[in-house]
Amino acid sequence: DAGVTQSPTHLIKTRGQQVTLRCSPISGHKSVSWYQQVLGQGPQFIFQYYEKEERGRGNFPDRFSARQFPNYSSELNVNALLLGDSALYLCASSRTVANYGYTFGSGTRLTVV
Amino acid sequence: SQELEQSPQSLIVQEGKNLTINCTSSKTLYGLYWYKQKYGEGLIFLMMLQKGGEEKSHEKITAKLDEKKQQSSLHITASQPSHAGIYLCGADNHGAGSYQLTFGKGTKLSVIP
Repeated sequence: DAGVTQSPTHLIKTRGQQVTLRCSPISGHKSVSWYQQVLGQGPQFIFQYYEKEERGRGNFPDRFSARQFPNYSSELNVNALLLGDSALYLCASSRTVANYGYTFGSGTRLTVV
Repeated sequence: SQELEQSPQSLIVQEGKNLTINCTSSKTLYGLYWYKQKYGEGLIFLMMLQKGGEEKSHEKITAKLDEKKQQSSLHITASQPSHAGIYLCGADNHGAGSYQLTFGKGTKLSVIP
């Protein structure tokens, strides 16, 4: 089985632009969570989606939004990019809404210039 | 909110030496996860601990959760270059129907051949 796949792997954007990151969960996994990891820090929770509904949101501004599709894949959108949004964005999937069996993807490295 | 403090922040050991990484929580731990991360890549699940006094081992890595469930340790026996990376502890942080992990800042391990 394929693991959690994220695209693109790397991205460079200019301040003020908008970006969309994509995540495909492991087959059979219905929950997708997004984390932001700034260099030198641990990952920070952004969103959790389960069965296409938002189940949790971290302490991030409204510029961050996400959605989950009927096939359980997910997109994370960030509007009006700031330099501080430069980070590794990680997607994790699990069979249920609980954490047990969380599997992370390799991430998307976003650089805002 | 829950905070996790990892120590040390970084560690350089000679191949073959033993080492221990600690993770201390500001609140009682209900689920503690250990992950390993290669620089700029996704997180690889190592172990999950839930019960006070619980100890789990996988190959040369042993993790423990203390009786009071506020501290966990990760011990590597006879370290190898393949053990090098960033070790992250994450705590279950249930909130209103969502399951999110709160992470420490990580411990960077270098193993010198």
